[in-house]
Amino acid sequence: QKEVEQNSGPLSVPEGAIASLNCTYSDRVSQSFFWYRQYSGKSPELIMSIYSNGDKEDGRFTAQLNKASQYVSLLIRDSQPSDSATYLCAVSGSQGNLIFGKGTKLSVKP
Amino acid sequence: GAVVSQHPSRVICKSGTSVKIECRSLDFQATTMFWYRQFPKQSLMLMATSNEGSKATYEQGVEKDKFLINHASLTLSTLTVTSAHPEDSSFYICSAQMGSTEAFFGQGTRLTVV
Repeated sequence: QKEVEQNSGPLSVPEGAIASLNCTYSDRVSQSFFWYRQYSGKSPELIMSIYSNGDKEDGRFTAQLNKASQYVSLLIRDSQPSDSATYLCAVSGSQGNLIFGKGTKLSVKP
Repeated sequence: GAVVSQHPSRVICKSGTSVKIECRSLDFQATTMFWYRQFPKQSLMLMATSNEGSKATYEQGVEKDKFLINHASLTLSTLTVTSAHPEDSSFYICSAQMGSTEAFFGQGTRLTVV
């Protein structure tokens, strides 16, 4: 069964620090990778998508993909309390759906 | 990003009644929509995959006769929870995709069955 693994956390970082979120996946043929942020009681919102090996930067967010290691990460620079949320890693499945990890809860302390 | 509208955002119903939840893609045609359920402090659980014009594909353990899914057009999918019971109380979320690219989520529906 195809799986996406994330550390459930909580990951606690001080305000202004870099938060590093990690994700591994089992299906080697996956081509599309996404990071979603979900605030408590709300639906997920897309933060980043990445399709090729390497880094992709968007503002304070950087997604990193290593297909050989089947590993994708999200770095959040200058973390803010408003970044406190659950971050979901998602990987494309063979049927067009996205397979989600269980999410990592991030807490940014002022 | 693309907009997916889900309605209602919150509903309370009596045990034994049915509830319909709508999911609309407002600015793109979604050939595939997905329905998820999320219990408190748990991850998203895929319930079913809905393809326009065909029967939905349900995940193992999800009762197709209880959770009726209709995807009659490229912009609308509905989930009907039939004969709802308190254990069906949950956060139901739809998502729509354009091909195999990113998924865009509706706002979610908080269902409470009393």
